[in-house]
Amino acid sequence: KNQVEQSPQSLIILEGKNCTLQCNYTVSPFSNLRWYKQDTGRGPVSLTIMTFSENTKSNGRYTATLDADTKQSSLHITASQLSDSASYICVVSAVSGYALNFGKGTSLLVT
Amino acid sequence: DGGITQSPKYLFRKEGQNVTLSCEQNLNHDAMYWYRQDPGQGLRLIYYSQIVNDFQKGDIAEGYSVSREKKESFPLTVTSAQKNPTAFYLCASSRERFSYNEQFFGPGTRLTVL
Repeated sequence: KNQVEQSPQSLIILEGKNCTLQCNYTVSPFSNLRWYKQDTGRGPVSLTIMTFSENTKSNGRYTATLDADTKQSSLHITASQLSDSASYICVVSAVSGYALNFGKGTSLLVT
Repeated sequence: DGGITQSPKYLFRKEGQNVTLSCEQNLNHDAMYWYRQDPGQGLRLIYYSQIVNDFQKGDIAEGYSVSREKKESFPLTVTSAQKNPTAFYLCASSRERFSYNEQFFGPGTRLTVL
């Protein structure tokens, strides 16, 4: 069964600090992995997309890594800002089919 | 200004009533999707459509119905048969239906059953 597990479930950090969110998946055969940011009461917005051959991808203060061998990804946020407070969702796609596999998200609060 | 719009933002329904949630996109995308989001759970697929006049059930279609009469529009009806309809509903679209295509999400509709 395709699964996506995220950790931690929630996280509180001080403004200006860094943090790392984790995503483990069992989706096979793997196509790509996306990190979405979802502000409270809003729709998710894509931050990064990573394919099998990519190890690291950055989008401003957001850096995603992918280890396709261990089926793990991380999202690193540098110099956090209050506006980073949101839910971060890991979404993994398989090569075939239509369904996306969603993690439950990590709720980040920057204070 | 391209994007996906959903209306209304908030919707209240009495038990036993059907309600329809609107979703419109001007991205010229072929595929459209409806998801349900509950606290502490990942998004769950209700219905999807890959082309006009065609749609398929997702993982939790019971108590819901959809139509796709126009490429731009994919309304979702929450019927009285849905036993626990209070949730946040998200509409999405993608260029094609395959999962490797990025899905773009609307702002969502929060439905509350009174």
